[in-house]
Amino acid sequence: GQQVMQIPQYQHVQEGEDFTTYCNSSTTLSNIQWYKQRPGGHPVFLIQLVKSGEVKKQKRLTFQFGEAKKNSSLHITATQTTDVGTYFCAGTEYGNKLVFGAGTILRVKS
Amino acid sequence: SAVISQKPSRDICQRGTSLTIQCQVDSQVTMMFWYRQQPGQSLTLIATANQGSEATYESGFVIDKFPISRPNLTFSTLTVSNMSPEDSSIYLCSVEDLGGPYEQYFGPGTRLTVT
Repeated sequence: GQQVMQIPQYQHVQEGEDFTTYCNSSTTLSNIQWYKQRPGGHPVFLIQLVKSGEVKKQKRLTFQFGEAKKNSSLHITATQTTDVGTYFCAGTEYGNKLVFGAGTILRVKS
Repeated sequence: SAVISQKPSRDICQRGTSLTIQCQVDSQVTMMFWYRQQPGQSLTLIATANQGSEATYESGFVIDKFPISRPNLTFSTLTVSNMSPEDSSIYLCSVEDLGGPYEQYFGPGTRLTVT
């Protein structure tokens, strides 16, 4: 069945440093979504990517979808303490359910 | 986006008992989902709750253990039956936003501890 792998599992950065998490699917995806879960909170939808090679930005966050639609990345520029949390990617095969990656826990030292 | 509430927010239950978790949405939605998230882990889909039909369960989850009701387009319940400590987890409902395909919005979750 469809699998979505995400790395790294955990990253601890100094405030102001950049952060990237990577997501890889075993199959071609129709779309990929990114969610953020603050400690003690619930997952919150960030963005959806649909097109091959698509790049979207939200302030300091840059999201990419690979040309083959099997991988994606989330890059945060100049992290802040408010960026702390777990970032999940979630992919959908055509017509199938959403499958979540394991998540990357981000900790930011101030 | 939809506003979702869940009850209870947390509970401590004895093994062998059952707990029903409620999920209420402030607008009508077609698709509602129930997930389980164990501490520090990812989200695992339990089932999709469809209004007017039986829920669709994922591999490893069965109706006898996790019966689901979906009486209307704004409400669903998940029951965790005959609980054991292995059922200790956070249970989340989510809905699919009609504003965009597949975007899901999550409720605050129910933190269940089974002793």
